[in-house]
Amino acid sequence: QKEVEQNSGPLSVPEGAIASLNCTYSDRGSQSFFWYRQYSGKSPELIMFIYSNGDKEDGRFTAQLNKASQYVSLLIRDSQPSDSATYLCAVNQAGTALIFGKGTTLSVSS
Amino acid sequence: NAGVTQTPKFQVLKTGQSMTLQCAQDMNHNSMYWYRQDPGMGLRLIYYSASEGTTDKGEVPNGYNVSRLNKREFSLRLESAAPSQTSVYFCASSATTGGDGYTFGSGTRLTVV
Repeated sequence: QKEVEQNSGPLSVPEGAIASLNCTYSDRGSQSFFWYRQYSGKSPELIMFIYSNGDKEDGRFTAQLNKASQYVSLLIRDSQPSDSATYLCAVNQAGTALIFGKGTTLSVSS
Repeated sequence: NAGVTQTPKFQVLKTGQSMTLQCAQDMNHNSMYWYRQDPGMGLRLIYYSASEGTTDKGEVPNGYNVSRLNKREFSLRLESAAPSQTSVYFCASSATTGGDGYTFGSGTRLTVV
């Protein structure tokens, strides 16, 4: 069975620090990788996607992908209290639905 | 833009009752999905529809049926609700099944007593 693993946390960081969220996946055929943020009681919202090995930056967010190690990560620079949420990693192959990890809860303290 | 609209937002059912969760999107997306989210279990795929006229089972399809009514609408039906189906249900859509990110609806919180 295809799996996506995340540390459930909580991951606690002080305001202004870098938060590092990690995800591993079991299916070597996975092609697309996504990070969603979910505030408590709300629906997931897409914040980053990455398809190729390496880094992809968008503002304070950087997604990193290493297909050889089956590893994807999300770095949040200058973390803010408003970044406190659950972060969901999701992967899929072409033509299949996303498989989600269970999420990592991030807490940013001011 | 409304995006993905789910109804109802909350529902309480008695064991054995049936109900249909409605989902509609206005983004002209081809693919639509139903997930359930339980504490500690993450999002689990129930059914999806890659395109109008097709549906496929996901990880946890037992006890559910779906209908892709047209390109916009994808409904989820519980024929005989069980307490194990107490969950938050999310509908989502994407341009294609695969490399596109999903847009989620606001969710339906269902309690079966």
